[in-house]
Amino acid sequence: QKEVEQDPGPLSVPEGAIVSLNCTYSNSAFQYFMWYRQYSRKGPELLMYTYSSGNKEDGRFTAQVDKSSKYISLFIRDSQPSDSATYLCAIETGANNLFFGTGTRLTVIP
Amino acid sequence: SQTIHQWPATLVQPVGSPLSLECTVEGTSNPNLYWYRQAAGRGLQLLFYSIGIDQISSEVPQNLSASRPQDRQFILSSKKLLLSDSGFYLCAWSVTTDTQYFGPGTRLTVL
Repeated sequence: QKEVEQDPGPLSVPEGAIVSLNCTYSNSAFQYFMWYRQYSRKGPELLMYTYSSGNKEDGRFTAQVDKSSKYISLFIRDSQPSDSATYLCAIETGANNLFFGTGTRLTVIP
Repeated sequence: SQTIHQWPATLVQPVGSPLSLECTVEGTSNPNLYWYRQAAGRGLQLLFYSIGIDQISSEVPQNLSASRPQDRQFILSSKKLLLSDSGFYLCAWSVTTDTQYFGPGTRLTVL
């Protein structure tokens, strides 16, 4: 079983839609939860970071963590064509062990 | 602010040739440094990480090696490239043990 599972998509939505991206993980020792956005042929950039259960909001983005279910989500409201990218979840134990999901490719259609 | 550089951006090399990819970080001291390889549909694979000069851990046995000759310089090398070495190579840095910041990447094609 992989440490982190992520639906690879691809996911296509119309502009303005709400997007939900999800990951599940297996190790309850994971403490830190991140979402990265990666545009084509670029390095991943950190989008959201949280370490507790619940929601964290930043503009149109909301990161949600449910430690009891070992489930994390990223919601994008009012999606824009510029949001088209691959989104990677990443989870860390706090001991320099960072595990990435395989990424979900998102396309927002104008 | 911190900046991470990688070069070259793209590289095409024949099988059996050597490899040297360089990564440098500006604006921070004693960072943790990482090399990842990203293959399509397989996510990010950690290759090496370093917590200090000449302190390098290898995560995956292969024909690649890493060196850290200076605090903010990390080099990925190979003596003889294989076809399977093709991929997108990413360098990352961190100060704490959680959040990592990535460079722009090097796309390597081995023919």
